[in-house]
Amino acid sequence: DAKTTQPPSMDCAEGRAANLPCNHSTISGNEYVYWYRQIHSQGPQYIIHGLKNNETNEMASLIITEDRKSSTLILPHATLRDTAVYYCIVRADNYGQNFVFGPGTRLSVLP
Amino acid sequence: EAQVTQNPRYLITVTGKKLTVTCSQNMNHEYMSWYRQDPGLGLRQIYYSMNVEVTDKGDVPEGYKVSRKEKRNFPLILESPSPNQTSLYFCASSLKGDRYEQYFGPGTRLTVT
Repeated sequence: DAKTTQPPSMDCAEGRAANLPCNHSTISGNEYVYWYRQIHSQGPQYIIHGLKNNETNEMASLIITEDRKSSTLILPHATLRDTAVYYCIVRADNYGQNFVFGPGTRLSVLP
Repeated sequence: EAQVTQNPRYLITVTGKKLTVTCSQNMNHEYMSWYRQDPGLGLRQIYYSMNVEVTDKGDVPEGYKVSRKEKRNFPLILESPSPNQTSLYFCASSLKGDRYEQYFGPGTRLTVT
């Protein structure tokens, strides 16, 4: 699976958009980009995933560059409850094997 | 309510005393998985199961066993726990494989002395 690079931490003002970047320059054509988040020590929560098209759901938007070497997770109106560690994971459809979470980005939403 | 449950949530035990952490899901998911989370190492997969009676090793399977006799349950067994298995453990499930949204349990904090 391709390696991902995320900033270790970011701040965002409450009510503003939070843009979390992820670099995955070695991504292969069959690898998906996934985003999960973990609030404190709770179980991780799925946010969104995509292959090459931009995706949007009720939680966030995922923007993948045309060359697929990077992506951005957008939380359109961040709230204090969005403070969490956000994980960007790139992997092929390996049906379960070795799904690894890296260190992620610690997002702090400030009042 | 759709959920993944784990028991116990907290456990302190001694080296060598066999223990089982239970995991159950009520969503009729085929795929289930166990992870451990350690400071500085992130979440790492221990074992996963694609369906009943189908299990396979993840990234860090040493010292652990699993079984999948029923679709809803996926217990994690530590036959002879050691202090290096002190960790936060999460169970997860998804519809079919990890390409689908994985639902995680609340976690089990295990301390082995």
